[in-house]
Amino acid sequence: AQSVTQLDSHVSVSEGTPVLLRCNYSSSYSPSLFWYVQHPNKGLQLLLKYTSAATLVKGINGFEAEFKKSETSFHLTKPSAHMSDAAEYFCVVSDGGSQGNLIFGKGTKLSVKP
Amino acid sequence: KAGVTQTPRYLIKTRGQQVTLSCSPISGHRSVSWYQQTPGQGLQFLFEYFSETQRNKGNFPGRFSGRQFSNSRSEMNVSTLELGDSALYLCASSLGLAPTSYEQYFGPGTRLTVT
Repeated sequence: AQSVTQLDSHVSVSEGTPVLLRCNYSSSYSPSLFWYVQHPNKGLQLLLKYTSAATLVKGINGFEAEFKKSETSFHLTKPSAHMSDAAEYFCVVSDGGSQGNLIFGKGTKLSVKP
Repeated sequence: KAGVTQTPRYLIKTRGQQVTLSCSPISGHRSVSWYQQTPGQGLQFLFEYFSETQRNKGNFPGRFSGRQFSNSRSEMNVSTLELGDSALYLCASSLGLAPTSYEQYFGPGTRLTVT
């Protein structure tokens, strides 16, 4: 069975400093992995996805994530945080089957201090 | 192109009542999925529809049901509401079924409060 664990429920950084949001997954298949962002009172937006191509995945707004099979991790990073990055981030795993088989992590709330 | 729209945005119902939520996908999208988001359980998959057929279902009781119309619009229904059904219900649409090939676009959600 697939599962995903987001290691931090809340991360706080200062504007201009790097962002690291951690995610570990468990999958008996070759997984597809996603990061979504949810701003307050908004729907979810896809940041990036890994689908067994390049292990370093670049997404929107300067975010990227690296798939590490040996560590079963898919951490999200950004070199320099902006105030607009403050939101909740979800790591998601799929077994590659029907679209509905998305397993969401509990989310990491990112705060950005001026 | 208009995004995914959900109506109503906010809803207050009483225990025991039933409720119907609506989702209009992006034009041309044929797949609609529904999710429940609560502080305790997080985001959980409810069901997915493609070409008017339910293709997948999450682990929710039979009180939760849905349907999709020929224009791809979808509705979900919750009967005999319980306090624990209070949640943000999100709808997502995509061109096709596979999440690895087709990005899901989420609507803003319907906030359901059961009193």
